[in-house]
Order: sequence, then structure tokens, then C-alpha cells
Amino acid sequence: GIQVEQSPPDLILQEGANSTLRCNFSDSVNNLQWFHQNPWGQLINLFYIPSGTKQNGRLSATTVATERYSLLYISSSQTTDSGVYFCAVSSGAGSYQLTFGKGTKLSVIP
Amino acid sequence: KAGVTQTPRYLIKTRGQQVTLSCSPISGHRSVSWYQQTPGQGLQFLFEYFSETQRNKGNFPGRFSGRQFSNSRSEMNVSTLELGDSALYLCASSPPGYSYNEQFFGPGTRLTVL
Repeated sequence: GIQVEQSPPDLILQEGANSTLRCNFSDSVNNLQWFHQNPWGQLINLFYIPSGTKQNGRLSATTVATERYSLLYISSSQTTDSGVYFCAVSSGAGSYQLTFGKGTKLSVIP
Repeated sequence: KAGVTQTPRYLIKTRGQQVTLSCSPISGHRSVSWYQQTPGQGLQFLFEYFSETQRNKGNFPGRFSGRQFSNSRSEMNVSTLELGDSALYLCASSPPGYSYNEQFFGPGTRLTVL
């Protein structure tokens, strides 16, 4: 099956700093999503981005499908950005089965 | 629109018992998927239902089963619970449409097996 690798596994930032999270995947995808898992466990949708670039406030994401990677940018980080960020992909026509990476644990310190 | 809802939110069971978890998708969504999250294995796909039919199944033993009703609500059942079944179980729904398959997750059910 498709493999998903996220880096770095852990990231500690000072408040106000910028960061880039990376997601590499091993096959072509028909879905790529970035999630932020809140302290209660719910996965919050950040981006649905199988290809291209999107921005939402301080967050933006880029997926280069031909090179099989995606990047999540967080600018001017805040303590509320802390948590685990997951990349998840699905592959195959009409597939709804998401394969998740192991996540990046982000800690933003004041 | 209301989001995906899951009940119960927390559950404590003992080994050997069985458990049923419930998921109500976003109105209009017909695909429902289930995932298990554990510290050791991360987030893993259990199964996906569409129009009351299981379309895809992950690599889990037969003790894990599910079903979907005509109103798209879904249940998953775990029989003969083991300690290793302690996990956060997440349900996700997707809107209809072949090419758009974004998934939206519920808050999860945290199952503890003693």
C-alpha cells in the first residue's frame, strides 16, 4: 500500500516563528489532507489539497503531486498552534481509504 | 450544518465484552469511514461504508465489524474485547461525488478495555 512519511517528528518553536512541515508519499494520490489534532483527539481539517497551493490565514499548503510531496507552512506561530499535525492520503480511483503519516508534534512556547 | 457526531464519547469495558459505537455523518454525506488511533500504531483505517455496503476494509481481525443504515448512520462493533483494543475510534464522512473525497471527522469515542 501507499506509504506516508512526515518530517520532522517533533518541532519546538518560539512564538512568532515560522515553520514548514513536510509530507512525502510513495504513489500517486487522489486525496491529500492536512489535519490538526486538538487536545481532545478530534481531527480538524486544515486543507484538502491533492495538488496545487492553498492559503488560509497564517497557514498555507502546497502539494507537488508529480514529485510526491506536500508542505504545510505555518507563519507567525501562536501557542494555540501547538498539537499534532497529520498528513493523510488516499490512492486509487474513488478511494476513500486514508493512509496517515505518523504526524509532526509541534510545540509553540511563549 | 452540524458536524459528524459520535456516541458515546467515552466507554470503559472489560476483556471479553463486546461494544457498539455509533456515528452520524454530516447531512447529505453518504460515505462513512472508521479509523482506530493508538499510540503504537497511529491512525489506521478500519472500513468504509457507502449506501449500506462495505466498500473497503482495512487489516483488522473479524472481531471488528460495522454496518450502515439507510439514513447513512453507521455503527461499528467489536466483539470479545482485548486489552489492545483500547484506542480512540474516529468516524469520518465524505460528501457524494466521485472526484471529491474530502473527509470530515467526528470527535471520536475513547474506548478503554480493562
